[in-house]
Amino acid sequence: DIQLTQSPSFLSASVGDRVTITCRASQGISSSLAWYQQKPGKAPKLLIYTASTLHSGVPSAFSGSGSGTEFTLTISSLQPEDFATYYCLQLNTYPLTFGGGTKVEIK
Amino acid sequence: EVQLVESGGGLVQPGGSLRLSCAASGFTFSDHYMDWVRQAPGKGLEWVGRIRKNANSYTTEHAASVKGRFTISRDDSKNSLYLQMNSLKTEDTAVYYCARAKYDSRVFFPDYWGQGTLVTVSS
Repeated sequence: DIQLTQSPSFLSASVGDRVTITCRASQGISSSLAWYQQKPGKAPKLLIYTASTLHSGVPSAFSGSGSGTEFTLTISSLQPEDFATYYCLQLNTYPLTFGGGTKVEIK
Repeated sequence: EVQLVESGGGLVQPGGSLRLSCAASGFTFSDHYMDWVRQAPGKGLEWVGRIRKNANSYTTEHAASVKGRFTISRDDSKNSLYLQMNSLKTEDTAVYYCARAKYDSRVFFPDYWGQGTLVTVSS
């Protein structure tokens, strides 16, 4: 199975900060990666797919990059509604696998 | 508007069975692959499995942790997705989400998710 390692697992930041989350795959997955945001008690929401394509309705402050084994999710200016847990998901090979998550909290 | 509504969760004893349903609306259900994803209390997301559409013979994929115990099926005439769970273990306790899979650039990925249904396996 392909393992995804997210870092950091926890991040404390302030409103307006630029935030970067990394997802590393145990083997190459081309651009077959998606990012999700999840708030407590809610279902995950798709942010980005194929590593860098912004899902409809997602603010342009979110961006994704990378290919192969290293990927990043960047929030250019953190807003109060962005405090949540973020997950990457590899779509290249079955079984699909998620990263362990990155919790973004208010500093 | 895409809507996915799960039902069927509850308390079940270890070794027992449960069938989850997911009612879909707001899109052409038969055109889409569908996924199940679960989340144990306080833990991360775990992909459970996928069912393809009729054109792909409704074939399925499952995570190793549930293979042989869980079966994914669908009824396109009812716009419904199902997860039959047998031989349940305490570690299957989780919120179970159904999700629509979107196709783009040669990959399928969950784009819209239901609100989830809680399954608790305990004696």
